[in-house]
Amino acid sequence: DTAVSQTPKYLVTQMGNDKSIKCEQNLGHDTMYWYKQDSKKFLKIMFSYNNKELIINETVPNRFSPKSPDKAHLNLHINSLELGDSAVYFCASSQDWRGVEQFFGPGTRLTVL
Amino acid sequence: GENVEQHPSTLSVQEGDSAVIKCTYSDSASNYFPWYKQELGKGPQLIIDIRSNVGEKKDQRIAVTLNKTAKHFSLHITETQPEDSAVYFCAAQTRYGGSQGNLIFGKGTKLSVKP
Repeated sequence: DTAVSQTPKYLVTQMGNDKSIKCEQNLGHDTMYWYKQDSKKFLKIMFSYNNKELIINETVPNRFSPKSPDKAHLNLHINSLELGDSAVYFCASSQDWRGVEQFFGPGTRLTVL
Repeated sequence: GENVEQHPSTLSVQEGDSAVIKCTYSDSASNYFPWYKQELGKGPQLIIDIRSNVGEKKDQRIAVTLNKTAKHFSLHITETQPEDSAVYFCAAQTRYGGSQGNLIFGKGTKLSVKP
């Protein structure tokens, strides 16, 4: 069973479109994260939710809106996609807000044309 | 804020040799340092971590050392195998107010193990 799963694995879309990425974890963890990995492989935190509440919100454009319907799911919606949004987006989870032992999903490669 | 530097960016070794990757961090308050392995097309996988109250930790062929005074930590892989080939990331955990649990990553080291 996959611990942290994401859908879709690949997403190709045009500039200006709106898209969503879904994430689910079956580890029973309280805290979930979204990371962005750019073309140079640099990994950076975007958001963190603990028990459905936002606890980390790094400097990310308002076009990115995370939503956590329950503590096992954290979705990422992106409005008005731009070329610079092309990247691999990883979901992760940890037992609690302290953020140790984070488990990552397989990633969603987003390509904006 | 926290800044993590990682060296080297690429490392090529012969199978059976040892590999060492080094990281430095800037925030003396950081107290958790994980290492992740990322294989091509996959998500980062936690391979070992160390907390600031420990100087060294080992898990089979992998070890991590931490020097809090110098603010650097290193990953050591012994008896390398071709399946160790991947990108390795170090990270440091910073705690600033609402950014608890925030992992700051190094830029990665691409390790190639030649058979």
